[in-house]
Amino acid sequence: ETGVTQSPTHLIKTRGQQVTLRCSSQSGHNTVSWYQQALGQGPQFIFQYYREEENGRGNFPPRFSGLQFPNYSSELKVNALELDDSALYLCASSSFQREAYEQYFGPGTRLTVT
Amino acid sequence: AQSVTQPDIHITVSEGASLELRCNYSYGATPYLFWYVQSPGQGLQLLLKYFSGDTLVQGIKGFEAEFKRSQSSFNLRKPSVHWSDAAEYFCAVGGLSGNKLVFGAGTILRVKS
Repeated sequence: ETGVTQSPTHLIKTRGQQVTLRCSSQSGHNTVSWYQQALGQGPQFIFQYYREEENGRGNFPPRFSGLQFPNYSSELKVNALELDDSALYLCASSSFQREAYEQYFGPGTRLTVT
Repeated sequence: AQSVTQPDIHITVSEGASLELRCNYSYGATPYLFWYVQSPGQGLQLLLKYFSGDTLVQGIKGFEAEFKRSQSSFNLRKPSVHWSDAAEYFCAVGGLSGNKLVFGAGTILRVKS
C-alpha cells in the first residue's frame, strides 16, 4: 500500500510570488485535505477536496486555492505569498465512503517565504 | 466553536516510566477523536482513534487512550516509555462540518535516560 507523498520537500520563495505544492493520496483513498502548520503550532485546516471539488474550507483567504485530479492527487496553490505563509504544509488523504475524518498524512512541504 | 486543548506544552519522563498526555475538547456532539505523533521534520502518524463504542482504545506502539464524556477528555497513556517515543503529540477532533480535523497545539515529549 502506497502512502501519501508530497513534493517538493522544501521550497524557498520571495514575498509576492506564487507557489504550487503537490500531493499524491494513499492508494484506495479519494479525498484529500490540506493543512498549514506554523512553527510551534498544531495543523490548521485549509480545505478538503472530494470528487474534484472543494468539500469544505477553513479560515484561509482566496489566494489559497486547490485542485484535485481524476487520479485523486491534488495541488495547493498560494498566490501573492506573504511572510506569514512560511510553514509546513501537510496533505492528508482519506476515504469519503468510510470515514473522511480518518486522515493519513504525508511528510509535508516546508515553505519558507523571504 | 470547536476547540482542542492540550494543557502541557512540554513533558519530560524517564525511560521506562509511565506517560499520560492530556487532551480536552469542546464540541457539542459526540466527537471523533484522534491522537497523532510527529517526529522532527516529519508528517503526522495516526496513533489511535475513537469513533464510538468501547471508551478505552488501543493504538500502535503500545499507546492507549480513554474517552471520558463527562470530562470532555481523551487522554493518551503508555505504561512504559521508550527513548524512541520522544516526539510531539497532537490530539485532534473530527466530526465537524467540512470534514476537517481541529488540532490542539501539541505536547512535546522528552525522554530522559
